[in-house]
Amino acid sequence: DTGVSQNPRHKITKRGQNVTFRCDPISEHNRLYWYRQTLGQGPEFLTYFQNEAQLEKSRLLSDRFSAERPKGSFSTLEIQRTEQGDSAMYLCASTSYTGTTGYEQYFGPGTRLTVT
Amino acid sequence: AQSVTQLDSHVSVSEGTPVLLRCNYSSSYSPSLFWYVQHPNKGLQLLLKYTSAATLVKGINGFEAEFKKSETSFHLTKPSAHMSDAAEYFCVVISNAGNMLTFGGGTRLMVKP
Repeated sequence: DTGVSQNPRHKITKRGQNVTFRCDPISEHNRLYWYRQTLGQGPEFLTYFQNEAQLEKSRLLSDRFSAERPKGSFSTLEIQRTEQGDSAMYLCASTSYTGTTGYEQYFGPGTRLTVT
Repeated sequence: AQSVTQLDSHVSVSEGTPVLLRCNYSSSYSPSLFWYVQHPNKGLQLLLKYTSAATLVKGINGFEAEFKKSETSFHLTKPSAHMSDAAEYFCVVISNAGNMLTFGGGTRLMVKP
């Protein structure tokens, strides 16, 4: 299967711990996005990469959050010193511009983070 | 800036009856709009998209949506609901630069037997 994959699918951590999530995009896609979805809400944009360059970051991405895409393939999202408010589903999406579909984004299944 | 408002947080229909999920958008440019569906414990799936071609857009699983500029609406419809349609639906607008999706708050569709 060549869809977007995310690991782990679930993560439970204690407040104050660091966590890291991984996203593997569709192989030919050069853009990769991170979103956060809290219960009962729509996903909110966090950041995106074009190849290895991080081009935009949301105000939601505090200093405790860092994202990388070192070789323009997979990406990691790290949260340092987790807080209970970080509990959410973290979604990854990838896309590549085409003349017919534009920037259609394909989403992974998400990583559900619970901070206790 | 662009935004979308989904007018109903919950919609309940009986199986076999029509579905209407409402979405209004706000944009300073001619927008590209999408509807995504999210089933429990599954990833977001694109249902259909409008990109300034035909105003009536057909998607997967019998869904369609009509772009109405005069009403700034992009409502999602289906003639006959199926139990498998029960899910969360999101109306989405993409930024003019094509680099960011803005989601509505979502509408949870419940289908009664």
